Amino acid sequence: GQQVMQIPQYQHVQEGEDFTTYCNSSTTLSNIQWYKQRPGGHPVFLIQLVKSGEVKKQKRLTFQFGEAKKNSSLHITATQTTDVGTYFCAGDNNNDMRFGAGTRLTVKP
Amino acid sequence: DAGVIQSPRHEVTEMGQEVTLRCKPISGHDYLFWYRQTMMRGLELLIYFNNNVPIDDSGMPEDRFSAKMPNASFSTLKIQPSEPRDSAVYFCASSPSGYQPQHFGDGTRLSIL
Repeated sequence: GQQVMQIPQYQHVQEGEDFTTYCNSSTTLSNIQWYKQRPGGHPVFLIQLVKSGEVKKQKRLTFQFGEAKKNSSLHITATQTTDVGTYFCAGDNNNDMRFGAGTRLTVKP
Repeated sequence: DAGVIQSPRHEVTEMGQEVTLRCKPISGHDYLFWYRQTMMRGLELLIYFNNNVPIDDSGMPEDRFSAKMPNASFSTLKIQPSEPRDSAVYFCASSPSGYQPQHFGDGTRLSIL
């Protein structure tokens, strides 16, 4: 079955620094979704990318979907303490959605 | 607008006991997912249903785990007998279709002593 690999597993940054997490699939994806889980909370949907090469922005967050629809990235500009949490990608292959292992982000004020 | 509702929120029980976790998906959502989350293993998909039918249960750890969805508004995940290594947060999620965003419940934090 399909696998979704996510790196890095952990990232610790100083407040104000940028952060990027990467997601790679063993198969071509129909779409990819990104979720954020705050400490003690549950995963919450952030965004979905569908088109090859698609780029979407949400304030300081930039999401990209690769041209081959096998990889994706989430970039946060100038991190803030409110960005703390675990970011998951989830790749869909013919209605079979699989989550990556997540990247845990900690931000030092 | 009610989200995914899970119960109980917390469960502490002794090993060997039967544990039943419950989930009410969002009305109209055809897909229901059960996940287990631990520090060591991350977020694991255990099983998912489409229109109350189990589609993929390859993530269910072993025969001690079972899941049912008797109707569109209710699902259970049962562990019998429970073991300390089953301690984790169990999430239920639902979505309108297999490719649309999943809505997660608050989870059940399970501790097996």
